Amino acid sequence: QMQLQESGPGLVKPSETLSLTCSVSGGSISGYWWSWIRQPAGKGPEWIGRIISSGHTNYSPSLTSRVSMSLDTSTNQISLKLTSVTAADTAVYYCARETGLKTTSWYLWFDPWGQGTLVTVSS
Amino acid sequence: DIQMTQSPSSLSASVDDRVSITCRASQIIDNKLNWYRQKPGKAPELLIYAASSLQSGVPSRFSGSGSGADFTLTIRGLRPEDFATYYCQQSYNTPYTFGQGTKVEMK
Repeated sequence: QMQLQESGPGLVKPSETLSLTCSVSGGSISGYWWSWIRQPAGKGPEWIGRIISSGHTNYSPSLTSRVSMSLDTSTNQISLKLTSVTAADTAVYYCARETGLKTTSWYLWFDPWGQGTLVTVSS
Repeated sequence: DIQMTQSPSSLSASVDDRVSITCRASQIIDNKLNWYRQKPGKAPELLIYAASSLQSGVPSRFSGSGSGADFTLTIRGLRPEDFATYYCQQSYNTPYTFGQGTKVEMK
């Protein structure tokens, strides 16, 4: 059974760069889209973006100027960087695999998810 | 971006009750709609994909319906572990978007 684990600093200063890693076990990251999703306290999840093993990425337009994702198939890890953070970036950050099936078109969903890691932006 | 609106924002119910949660998209999304349950302090977990398909291992008391832009999650026979927050999510296009959530509380 595939498991995902996010890791990284829990506290980041304003204007600095948030860096997180998602470590995947129980299967290869190759061939799948991998998403980062964040959730501020008391709010719904927000999709940040995704990356596939070829390196192709899609980012949310609201974050595209500050976000970058990468992956390393040799270590089975996916990384997230978010620059110039502010208090508004304080949230629990999740990584998730995008899974799906194709009939007449692709039907996609997130499963599994990591347990999430809280990142607080504060001086 | 496609906006997802859930209703109600919260509801009170008892064990064994039947509850329904609705989700409306700001445009037609075919059946590219997923439902998740989130327990406090945990990651969301997939319940329903493609509007009405039950994820493997999810109890049959959960069901999804709808098409186009209007969708419903129904829980028949609420269990104690179902007191949680539920989210819909569209996968029609990126940026993927979620509803604001429906909190199911114990009456």
